[in-house]
Amino acid sequence: AQKITQTQPGMFVQEKEAVTLDCTYDTSDPSYGLFWYKQPSSGEMIFLIYQGSYDQQNATEGRYSLNFQKARKSANLVISASQLGDSAMYFCAMREHRRSKLIFGQGTTLQVKP
Amino acid sequence: NAGVTQTPKFQVLKTGQSMTLQCAQDMNHEYMSWYRQDPGMGLRLIHYSVGAGITDQGEVPNGYNVSRSTTEDFPLRLLSAAPSQTSVYFCASSYSSSLAGDQASYEQYFGPGTRLTVT
Repeated sequence: AQKITQTQPGMFVQEKEAVTLDCTYDTSDPSYGLFWYKQPSSGEMIFLIYQGSYDQQNATEGRYSLNFQKARKSANLVISASQLGDSAMYFCAMREHRRSKLIFGQGTTLQVKP
Repeated sequence: NAGVTQTPKFQVLKTGQSMTLQCAQDMNHEYMSWYRQDPGMGLRLIHYSVGAGITDQGEVPNGYNVSRSTTEDFPLRLLSAAPSQTSVYFCASSYSSSLAGDQASYEQYFGPGTRLTVT
């Protein structure tokens, strides 16, 4: 069954340090995509990064990288050099190729301390 | 492009009332969906559509109806509102309903959300 799990309800990180947000998933479809979204306190959903199941390399977008471990079914988001503006809720999501729907995890609230 | 628009932004209903949350996109997106966001539950998929005339249930469809008569619009109807439907509702769309093609085609765009309170 299609499932996404984020086990960290809240995380703290010191400004300028790196932080890893965990995401595990379950699917029987060999073709799928994994997404990360950021939701600041203002409420809008901001797309951060995407990883395809057949991609050979881990995705990177600026300070965001995705640590994709296919055998372990994990897709952790790494934020390098944290900034105060990174304080937000972060969601991991998955879409299977044969099913169109995009399913989200429960989210992780990240607070960056000055 | 206006992107994904949702109306209203805020709504208060009494138990038993019905209403429709509007969602529209002007990007010629094939895929549209509705989510509800509740504290500690993340975003849960209510209904989705892969094209005009085609809809399907998500994770939490009970109490909600949808239709997709045009590519642009995907309204969400609450038939008889209940306090358990108090939530923030997001509409989202993407150009493609599959993972074929360019990544940009299946990236989802979200509306600003509707905060609904049922008393």
